[in-house]
Amino acid sequence: AQSVTQLDSQVPVFEEAPVELRCNYSSSVSVYLFWYVQYPNQGLQLLLKYLSGSTLVKGINGFEAEFNKSQTSFHLRKPSVHISDTAEYFCAVSFTGGGNKLTFGTGTQLKVEL
Amino acid sequence: DTAVSQTPKYLVTQMGNDKSIKCEQNLGHDTMYWYKQDSKKFLKIMFSYNNKELIINETVPNRFSPKSPDKAHLNLHINSLELGDSAVYFCASTTIGRLYTGELFFGEGSRLTVL
Repeated sequence: AQSVTQLDSQVPVFEEAPVELRCNYSSSVSVYLFWYVQYPNQGLQLLLKYLSGSTLVKGINGFEAEFNKSQTSFHLRKPSVHISDTAEYFCAVSFTGGGNKLTFGTGTQLKVEL
Repeated sequence: DTAVSQTPKYLVTQMGNDKSIKCEQNLGHDTMYWYKQDSKKFLKIMFSYNNKELIINETVPNRFSPKSPDKAHLNLHINSLELGDSAVYFCASTTIGRLYTGELFFGEGSRLTVL
């Protein structure tokens, strides 16, 4: 069965520190990979996506992620976080031949502290 | 202009009642979805319509009935509401086919509270 796992439910970090949010997937077919962000009481917004090509993808707000096929991972990183980055982050996977369905991980709460 | 809009944003109702949530998108997409987000923030797909045709129907109680009058609208009707239906319901849209990238555009959510 195909699945996506976010191992960390909460990640506390101090402002201006670097952060990495982990995402692993399980699939026997090609995938498209996404990171979405949800600010409090809002809908989800796309941060970045990997469809093909370069394995390092850059997104909005200074975030980037690297697709690692051998590790089946798509970890999200930011070199220096800001208070405004406090939000819920969701990794999501779309599998080729998966019926146009986006499957989400369980989310990681990023809490940036002063 | 809001790309994907849902109404109402908040809905508080009693157990056993019937309620509807409406969704409209002005992005010209051909596919719309309903997702349910529970209290632990877990997002689960419920339904998807492509050009008014149901294409995804996950294991959802038949008390939930989606309706898509046209490709820009997808409504969700829930009969005999139960406490466990309390959640935030998100509408989303995209374009499938050769243009499909998996990117979804989400509404701001409709928070349903069943008392």
